[in-house]
Amino acid sequence: AQSVTQLDSQVPVFEEAPVELRCNYSSSVSVYLFWYVQYPNQGLQLLLKYLSGSTLVKGINGFEAEFNKSQTSFHLRKPSVHISDTAEYFCAVRKGGATNKLIFGTGTLLAVQP
Amino acid sequence: DGGITQSPKYLFRKEGQNVTLSCEQNLNHDAMYWYRQDPGQGLRLIYYSQIVNDFQKGDIAEGYSVSREKKESFPLTVTSAQKNPTAFYLCASSIVAPSTDTQYFGPGTRLTVL
Repeated sequence: AQSVTQLDSQVPVFEEAPVELRCNYSSSVSVYLFWYVQYPNQGLQLLLKYLSGSTLVKGINGFEAEFNKSQTSFHLRKPSVHISDTAEYFCAVRKGGATNKLIFGTGTLLAVQP
Repeated sequence: DGGITQSPKYLFRKEGQNVTLSCEQNLNHDAMYWYRQDPGQGLRLIYYSQIVNDFQKGDIAEGYSVSREKKESFPLTVTSAQKNPTAFYLCASSIVAPSTDTQYFGPGTRLTVL
């Protein structure tokens, strides 16, 4: 069965510092990978996705992620964070095939401090 | 403007009552989903539907029911059989295709059982 692990429940960081949010997945078949962001009391918004091709994926708001098949990871990075990046970030995986079901990680709260 | 709407934003229910959460989309998507979000647990799939008049149980369907009579609408009923219904409920939609699988989310409904 597929699963997604987000090792850090909360990541505190100072404004303008770099950040990496970790995501590992388990799957024996090809997968599609996603990062979503959720601001307080709102729905989820897609940050970026990996379907195929280049392993470095760029998304909105200056975020990027790198797909590493050998390490089964899809870590999210930003070189310089802003206060407005404070939110919960979810990694998700979808198995290839006909179904569009997503499996979500438990989320990482990015807390940007001035 | 295309998008997904959920209503109401906040909902209060007495124990023993059934309550229905609304989800409407004008994106012309075939697939729709309901998720439940609890603190520290990420998103868990309740029900999903890939075509009108058809739906499947997700991981935590007990105590919930859905209908899909129209492509645009996928209401969720939380029944009195759901033991712990207080949570944030998110509706999503997507097209059904292996290569294009982004799920778009609504703003959510926060249900509180009094």
